[in-house]
Amino acid sequence: EAQVTQNPRYLITVTGKKLTVTCSQNMNHEYMSWYRQDPGLGLRQIYYSMNVEVTDKGDVPEGYKVSRKEKRNFPLILESPSPNQTSLYFCASSLFSRNTGELFFGEGSRLTVL
Amino acid sequence: AQTVTQSQPEMSVQEAETVTLSCTYDTSENNYYLFWYKQPPSRQMILVIRQEAYKQQNATENRFSVNFQKAAKSFSLKISDSQLGDTAMYFCAFMKHGKTSYDKVIFGPGTSLSVIP
Repeated sequence: EAQVTQNPRYLITVTGKKLTVTCSQNMNHEYMSWYRQDPGLGLRQIYYSMNVEVTDKGDVPEGYKVSRKEKRNFPLILESPSPNQTSLYFCASSLFSRNTGELFFGEGSRLTVL
Repeated sequence: AQTVTQSQPEMSVQEAETVTLSCTYDTSENNYYLFWYKQPPSRQMILVIRQEAYKQQNATENRFSVNFQKAAKSFSLKISDSQLGDTAMYFCAFMKHGKTSYDKVIFGPGTSLSVIP
């Protein structure tokens, strides 16, 4: 089944404890991206990647890191989480060769930082 | 910088009636896509409809259609024959693209639509 898989789906952590949210897609998509969703603000893009070893900042990259060592994986790293990073996070991917721009989303990861 | 605005935080519609959700955007780019995504209570993000900026013809998908006014930078979504399953948050989104890549994606703040039986 074609899908974008995120883990963990739910996480409660404490300030300063490094964490990684994994994202994997099995559709051979070139484009992968991370978003955070907060009430009243919609989804805001954190980082995106068009290819292996190529990453670009979205609108809210501060406090986050990403890597794209393999085409299928795009982990989101919070080196020192803070309470203002409490949010719902989505990973999404897209196939450039289809020329549609359609994003395929994971199911979301609810992160709480205490 | 691109921005996407949805001026209606909440809307409601009677089942079987028609409703229009508004979206305006600001960009100086020529090559871009516009989308409406739906997020039901399950929180899964689902594509409703998409529009390519260079196409003048408005996109339609069954009960969903858009009114794309490129000069006015407006991209509204019309839902006909509203169904209970249409109850969801709706996000308007903009994606810039080039010949060899996709670029940033900008989402609006969302419109919460309730379909009333």
